[in-house]
Amino acid sequence: DVKVTQSSRYLVKRTGEKVFLECVQDMDHENMFWYRQDPGLGLRLIYFSYDVKMKEKGDIPEGYSVSREKKERFSLILESASTNQTSMYLCASSLFIGWGYNQPQHFGDGTRLSIL
Amino acid sequence: KQEVTQIPAALSVPEGENLVLNCSFTDSAIYNLQWFRQDPGKGLTSLLLIQSSQREQTSGRLNASLDKSSGRSTLYIAASQPGDSATYLCAVTGETSGSRLTFGEGTQLTVNP
Repeated sequence: DVKVTQSSRYLVKRTGEKVFLECVQDMDHENMFWYRQDPGLGLRLIYFSYDVKMKEKGDIPEGYSVSREKKERFSLILESASTNQTSMYLCASSLFIGWGYNQPQHFGDGTRLSIL
Repeated sequence: KQEVTQIPAALSVPEGENLVLNCSFTDSAIYNLQWFRQDPGKGLTSLLLIQSSQREQTSGRLNASLDKSSGRSTLYIAASQPGDSATYLCAVTGETSGSRLTFGEGTQLTVNP
């Protein structure tokens, strides 16, 4: 089974801090994704990466950056945390087998981040 | 821009009942549709993925169908159990979005013993 591991289940940080959320997958997947999930807004894509050192902006990239130095690890960075970034953050990965032939996305358990 | 809608937002049924969850999408140019389950406070578990060329997929008591031309999918759950209680989300990828999923807001299912 695919295993997507997020480093923390719960995290509390202060406004203005630089925050790192880590995600690791063990199935050699090319694609990795970061989402946030908020009541009434559903899941929204922040950033995704289709290869090492490659990244693409999602729907809500403002205030975030990402890093993918190794294939198995995808990090989400909140440059200067703000209270409106309090949310559930979900990481996912999927195998790439060709354009238009998407494979299932597999999700981690999520990180519930609170910014005080 | 692709939009995905799930109706109803919440559903409560007695144990043993067969039920159908609905998903509709506005842009029929999809690559595939994926159904997920989410338990409270947890991540998403992939249930079924239907490629755009397929009509349905089955896994155990679950059957998902896809009518691409009308922009609809259904998830059929047979003989529901209390353990099926969760939020069910559908999501699509498409020609304009590549590998990116566009999600519906989910149907919260409660199966009462």
